[in-house]
Amino acid sequence: AQSVSQHNHHVILSEAASLELGCNYSYGGTVNLFWYVQYPGQHLQLLLKYFSGDPLVKGIKGFEAEFIKSKFSFNLRKPSVQWSDTAEYFCAVTNGAGSYQLTFGKGTKLSVIP
Amino acid sequence: DVKVTQSSRYLVKRTGEKVFLECVQDMDHENMFWYRQDPGLGLRLIYFSYDVKMKEKGDIPEGYSVSREKKERFSLILESASTNQTSMYLCASIGGRLTYEQYFGPGTRLTVT
Repeated sequence: AQSVSQHNHHVILSEAASLELGCNYSYGGTVNLFWYVQYPGQHLQLLLKYFSGDPLVKGIKGFEAEFIKSKFSFNLRKPSVQWSDTAEYFCAVTNGAGSYQLTFGKGTKLSVIP
Repeated sequence: DVKVTQSSRYLVKRTGEKVFLECVQDMDHENMFWYRQDPGLGLRLIYFSYDVKMKEKGDIPEGYSVSREKKERFSLILESASTNQTSMYLCASIGGRLTYEQYFGPGTRLTVT
């Protein structure tokens, strides 16, 4: 079964600091990878996704993520965070080729201090 | 624009009650999902359905059942609510083949007292 690990439970940064949130998964076959974000009081929305091709993917609001197959990793990055990025971030991975099931990590809460 | 709606944002029920949570999507999606979200545990899949009247257990199906009589509607049923089912319940759906992106509803915060 697929498992997804997010390394940090809570990250606190000052505005303009750089962000990197770690995500590792266990299944070694073909996967699709996602980062979702949940702003306070709002529903989950897609930040970015990787299916194939260029392992560096760009998402909304200046976020990007890099898929490193050899490390089973899909880390989320942003060069300069803003207060409005305060949210909870979830990494999610499909359970194999052709599967629509997603396994989510436990989430990382990001607090950005003005 | 994609829309997934859930019948209630907040719900308070008593232990032992039968609880129905409803989810409706307006995008003609085939696949629908029910998750629960708990602090520090992320999202955990309860059940999913890939077609009308079809259902598959997820990671934590115990204490839950589901119903999908129409393509647009997927119901989660707590046969006899217990306090450990107090949680945020999220519904999601997936569009056409090969998209894989799940669209989420706003969630129902259920409290069982």
